[in-house]
Amino acid sequence: GQQLNQSPQSMFIQEGEDVSMNCTSSSIFNTWLWYKQEPGEGPVLLIALYKAGELTSNGRLTAQFGITRKDSFLNISASIPSDVGIYFCAGLSSRAGGTSYGKLTFGQGTILTVHP
Amino acid sequence: GAVVSQHPSWVICKSGTSVKIECRSLDFQATTMFWYRQFPKQSLMLMATSNEGSKATYEQGVEKDKFLINHASLTLSTLTVTSAHPEDSSFYICSASDRAPYEQYFGPGTRLTVT
Repeated sequence: GQQLNQSPQSMFIQEGEDVSMNCTSSSIFNTWLWYKQEPGEGPVLLIALYKAGELTSNGRLTAQFGITRKDSFLNISASIPSDVGIYFCAGLSSRAGGTSYGKLTFGQGTILTVHP
Repeated sequence: GAVVSQHPSWVICKSGTSVKIECRSLDFQATTMFWYRQFPKQSLMLMATSNEGSKATYEQGVEKDKFLINHASLTLSTLTVTSAHPEDSSFYICSASDRAPYEQYFGPGTRLTVT
């Protein structure tokens, strides 16, 4: 089945530093999504990417949809303590008629710790 | 917009009993709802997909008779864990989408502990 490899698994950074994480896939996705999950909560959508090559920003967050449609990265600039959490990439299957239609495939997550 | 709620947020039940978890889309109509399970420090695992008015589609390895899903309206889906056992203890999260196959919005999750 489809798998997403997300790296790094964890990051320990100082406040103010920039952060970068990425996901690669063995298969093509037509939509890439980035979520943040805090302890005891559900994931919150940060950025959605719909076109190969698309670069999208949301405040201090920037994400790109790889040209090959098999990868994506998320950057966080000037990190702050409230950025702590687990960040998940997810690929969305949009191939009509397929058994995975409309389903999300999640990466393993990147645990981010920000030291003040 | 795009708010999804879950109830209860946590529940403790005895082994052998059944537990129902509700998932509601508060400000949009969810044509499709998804149920996930998440173990500590792990990613989300899709259990089943439900479309309003039709039977849920379960992922391989998920027992449909144990995890009963009902999607009776465009704003409500329920997951019932029947004859719960301690190994069913987990974090259950639902998500909803108003226009497949686009982005899903997640509920806050339900922590189930079976004693």
